[in-house]
Amino acid sequence: GESVGLHLPTLSVQEGDNSIINCAYSNSASDYFIWYKQESGKGPQFIIDIRSNMDKRQGQRVTVLLNKTVKHLSLQIAATQPGDSAVYFCAAPRDSSYKLIFGSGTRLLVRP
Amino acid sequence: DAGVTQSPTHLIKTRGQQVTLRCSPKSGHDTVSWYQQALGQGPQFIFQYYEEEERQRGNFPDRFSGHQFPNYSSELNVNALLLGDSALYLCASSRLAGSEQYFGPGTRLTVT
Repeated sequence: GESVGLHLPTLSVQEGDNSIINCAYSNSASDYFIWYKQESGKGPQFIIDIRSNMDKRQGQRVTVLLNKTVKHLSLQIAATQPGDSAVYFCAAPRDSSYKLIFGSGTRLLVRP
Repeated sequence: DAGVTQSPTHLIKTRGQQVTLRCSPKSGHDTVSWYQQALGQGPQFIFQYYEEEERQRGNFPDRFSGHQFPNYSSELNVNALLLGDSALYLCASSRLAGSEQYFGPGTRLTVT
């Protein structure tokens, strides 16, 4: 079946460094991808999304890269801050109903 | 503008009991989706409601049922609770034609 997964369960970075969180997906028909941030005790918060007709999209301190050839996307966070500490999920809708398929998440730890 | 709200925040139930969780969508949203998030996992889609009808369902047994009211708010009901039903239950709302789902803070259900 289709899946959306992340390569690493935990990523530890130094404050001020850049963070890169990776995600692989299996369904080549997926045309829309979303990154969510989930802080402890809270629901997932939308960070950025990208459609399959793009290979890069930038937001405030975040960039998402999509490589459809290898079915891989990444979330880059520039100048990582303590407030970025959270679990990050990539997700993709199944079909056109916006039923989201989530990966298991990567926990980002920011060292002071 | 209030975001997605859920109640209660926490709930403790005994095996075999029944539970009802509630969700109010973000203003202007008409579609509500429910997700189950086990500890250390990504959210898993339960079902989605639009126009007071269940539009799509994930791989969950019939013990999980729901309802959407004319004001777009929604309830999730779980009957004959099992220990494995212990999880964070998330509600997400969206516009029918929108691509972004907004999540509530979730209800933490513990079954003992």
